[in-house]
Amino acid sequence: KNEVEQSPQNLTAQEGEFITINCSYSVGISALHWLQQHPGGGIVSLFMLSSGKKKHGRLIATINIQEKHSSLHITASHPRDSAVYICAVSRGSQGNLIFGKGTKLSVKP
Amino acid sequence: DSGVTQTPKHLITATGQRVTLRCSPRSGDLSVYWYQQSLDQGLQFLIQYYNGEERAKGNILERFSAQQFPDLHSELNLSSLELGDSALYFCASSVSGDLGQPQHFGDGTRLSIL
Repeated sequence: KNEVEQSPQNLTAQEGEFITINCSYSVGISALHWLQQHPGGGIVSLFMLSSGKKKHGRLIATINIQEKHSSLHITASHPRDSAVYICAVSRGSQGNLIFGKGTKLSVKP
Repeated sequence: DSGVTQTPKHLITATGQRVTLRCSPRSGDLSVYWYQQSLDQGLQFLIQYYNGEERAKGNILERFSAQQFPDLHSELNLSSLELGDSALYFCASSVSGDLGQPQHFGDGTRLSIL
C-alpha cells in the first residue's frame, strides 16, 4: 500500500463545477503539499500546509491531521485548470517529498 | 516562472552512456532536491543537497551520483544508462531544506534512452 493515496485517479468536469480531490496518508507527516503538473510536464507548488485551511484564488486546501486526510477544492472550474494534481508529504526533519500518484483533471468547456 | 533552471530540457541517448543533468536553484535557495518521474513508479525522491553537502538520500541507484557546487548549482550524473532510466528528472529548491518550506520546481529534463 502506498504511503500517500489520492482519489479519484481521473476526473472529468464541466466548466463551472466545484471539484474536490482527496488525499490520504498513512504516516506521520510534518507538512502536506499540493502540486500541479501541467500537460507540458512542469510542476507548480500550489499549497503547503500542516494544519487547517489555505485559500488562493479559486483553490482551497484543507487538512485534518487526526484523520490523516487532505482535500483540494477548485471552485468555478475552468478548462485552464486541466492538469494533474499531486499530493505529497514531507516527514521527519527532512524536506524531501513522498508523492501520491496524482489525479488527472480534465475540465470541459 | 519558479526561478529554478534545468538544462537540458530534452536528452536522447543510448544504453550504456553517461549523461549530466544540471540545475540552478532559485536565487537565495541553499537546498536542492532531485526527483525522478517515470510512468511506472511515479515521482520519487532521489537525493537532497544543502549548501554543498549531501543531506538526504532516497531511491537513488548506485549508477547515479550528484553534487552541489560552491555556486549552489547542482548536477545529477547518470551512468551505464538502461532503458528503464528513461524518465522526467526534476530539480527543486528551497531556502534551507528544513521543515515548513515550499519547494520550487524546475521544468524538468526529459531523458529518453534508445
